[in-house]
Amino acid sequence: GEDVEQSLFLSVREGDSSVINCTYTDSSSTYLYWYKQEPGAGLQLLTYIFSNMDMKQDQRLTVLLNKKDKHLSLRIADTQTGDSAIYFCAESMEGSARQLTFGSGTQLTVLP
Amino acid sequence: DTAVSQTPKYLVTQMGNDKSIKCEQNLGHDTMYWYKQDSKKFLKIMFSYNNKELIINETVPNRFSPKSPDKAHLNLHINSLELGDSAVYFCASSQGSGTDTQYFGPGTRLTVL
Repeated sequence: GEDVEQSLFLSVREGDSSVINCTYTDSSSTYLYWYKQEPGAGLQLLTYIFSNMDMKQDQRLTVLLNKKDKHLSLRIADTQTGDSAIYFCAESMEGSARQLTFGSGTQLTVLP
Repeated sequence: DTAVSQTPKYLVTQMGNDKSIKCEQNLGHDTMYWYKQDSKKFLKIMFSYNNKELIINETVPNRFSPKSPDKAHLNLHINSLELGDSAVYFCASSQGSGTDTQYFGPGTRLTVL
């Protein structure tokens, strides 16, 4: 998406940490999300962060938000082959129907 | 039980035809959405709808129309299908308040020949 940007590809070794980055342009974003899409499947919500937070941790997932730089990252600790998928960040704004604006997705490949 | 379901999973049709994709959610959500994912995996909102308003992305051709028989369903009707309509279409739903997390269906892969 023109408002949310991600690098297209990331390769890591099994057991290493993965860091997927995302930048967004709209400072009025209220929530930022990370979704995972496995091949041939729909989107699975991984986690979200409210715009007044800096960090959120959920088991192997850590989300960092730098609101000043409009930068969001997803760190996956101890990356496994089952983590191979496309990861989308998305932003939503306050409103009666919060439509999501998605990034282009980052294809994560975990090598054995 | 599947939270957000779509039918059909695959749809192959000829150019110029009219087709519908159905979406149902059993989460009791107030708002439903349709997204289009193109061949490069880029996802873009098409519509959002609750019982109060329909918000249409301005880039969506008027050949596309959402139809909601009730709160649990939002179907997508497409007239005069074109080759460029080939994509995966995802339905989603959300509570419409709070974190407003959206839950997605499995997608419908539409191929226009």
